[in-house]
Amino acid sequence: QQQVKQSPQSLIVQKGGISIINCAYENTAFDYFPWYQQFPGKGPALLIAIRPDVSEKKEGRFTISFNKSAKQFSLHIMDSQPGDSATYFCAASRWDGNQFYFGTGTSLTVIP
Amino acid sequence: EAGVTQFPSHSVIEKGQTVTLRCDPISGHDNLYWYRRVMGKEIKFLLHFVKESKQDESGMPNNRFLAERTGGTYSTLKVQPAELEDSGVYFCASSRPGQGSYEQYFGPGTRLTVT
Repeated sequence: QQQVKQSPQSLIVQKGGISIINCAYENTAFDYFPWYQQFPGKGPALLIAIRPDVSEKKEGRFTISFNKSAKQFSLHIMDSQPGDSATYFCAASRWDGNQFYFGTGTSLTVIP
Repeated sequence: EAGVTQFPSHSVIEKGQTVTLRCDPISGHDNLYWYRRVMGKEIKFLLHFVKESKQDESGMPNNRFLAERTGGTYSTLKVQPAELEDSGVYFCASSRPGQGSYEQYFGPGTRLTVT
């Protein structure tokens, strides 16, 4: 059973546009929600993360929106650039847990 | 600070053979994790070490997989004998003491192909 569901599977955005990737979870015990960015040939790298006590977190062009009641969170990339082209994974974990539960990944392509 | 390193980057073996993957965590990181991503699917947890002790190995697929972390430094993951369904990318991650499952730093992965 997949603990975190991610959509879309792939996304094509024009340079300067907004990229939006969505994730949903079921386990209300999750209390840490990171997003990872992975370039070809590299491992996933932590991009931004949020705890459920806030509804939004912004770091530069990257924003996480968190809806605790709907058990959903999303990544928004503003002013998307070709260099943002990568695979993005959402994840969730518990404070007393050992592991991340990942979504299936979204392949983002930003075209000039 | 050097990142998590993994060796080899790629491995192609035949069904029934043995393969050993190695992970060197970031220095000082007591927590070490193994994950696997099968083509197009999510990255799935395999197991977690705290120093040399296995904290959670609930994600290990079966007894063909053996993970070790001698001396609490680097870790190895052995697959013996390999099956076709073992193909995928194996990631190692590490985190600082007391971080639990937060802020895990991932290595570049080992792409395993079983033919």
